[in-house]
Amino acid sequence: DQQVKQNSPSLSVQEGRISILNCDYTNSMFDYFLWYKKYPAEGPTFLISISSIKDKNEDGRFTVFLNKSAKHLSLHIVPSQPGDSAVYFCAEKWGNTPLVFGKGTRLSVIA
Amino acid sequence: DAGITQSPRHKVTETGTPVTLRCHQTENHRYMYWYRQDPGHGLRLIHYSYGVKDTDKGEVSDGYSVSRSKTEDFLLTLESATSSQTSVYFCAISESNLGGGNSPLHFGNGTRLTVT
Repeated sequence: DQQVKQNSPSLSVQEGRISILNCDYTNSMFDYFLWYKKYPAEGPTFLISISSIKDKNEDGRFTVFLNKSAKHLSLHIVPSQPGDSAVYFCAEKWGNTPLVFGKGTRLSVIA
Repeated sequence: DAGITQSPRHKVTETGTPVTLRCHQTENHRYMYWYRQDPGHGLRLIHYSYGVKDTDKGEVSDGYSVSRSKTEDFLLTLESATSSQTSVYFCAISESNLGGGNSPLHFGNGTRLTVT
């Protein structure tokens, strides 16, 4: 059963507005969640992570929020830019096991 | 840009033929991974390696084998390709297995494999 769920396959946002990408998880034990961004014909690239002991991590326009009671995390992009249009994957890391990825959400930022 | 080269970048092959995909890294990272990306499934782990000759299975390992005889090379073999193995294959590397922002995965640009 999938441990990391991205329930929205796609999202469209206007340039300058906030983009919110969501991820739900099932395991209570984890070390990190990570977000990766993927452009067509390229490999995914690491964007931002959050450890299990934090509830927020910020890097420039990107902020990840972790709600452990709801087993939910979200990635906020403010302000959204056309170059942010990509597929975003959340991934879970626990112990020595490799990363487990969600199915991805395609973000389209409309100028 | 992490030094990861996948070859070939594109391949078309027939059902039943063997196929080998190659991943070459210049970063001297210990961990190497093979993922496949399919619509509706995201990225799924096939096999990974935690050192020379040390490999383990991932979520979707059936029909695939791997070998790592040198730190820099990780080979993925489809012994007898099937249409269900049509996919985009990504190799990834990481310095450690600790995860987080300190040791993220770095991905190659993928191999698009079509099995007819």
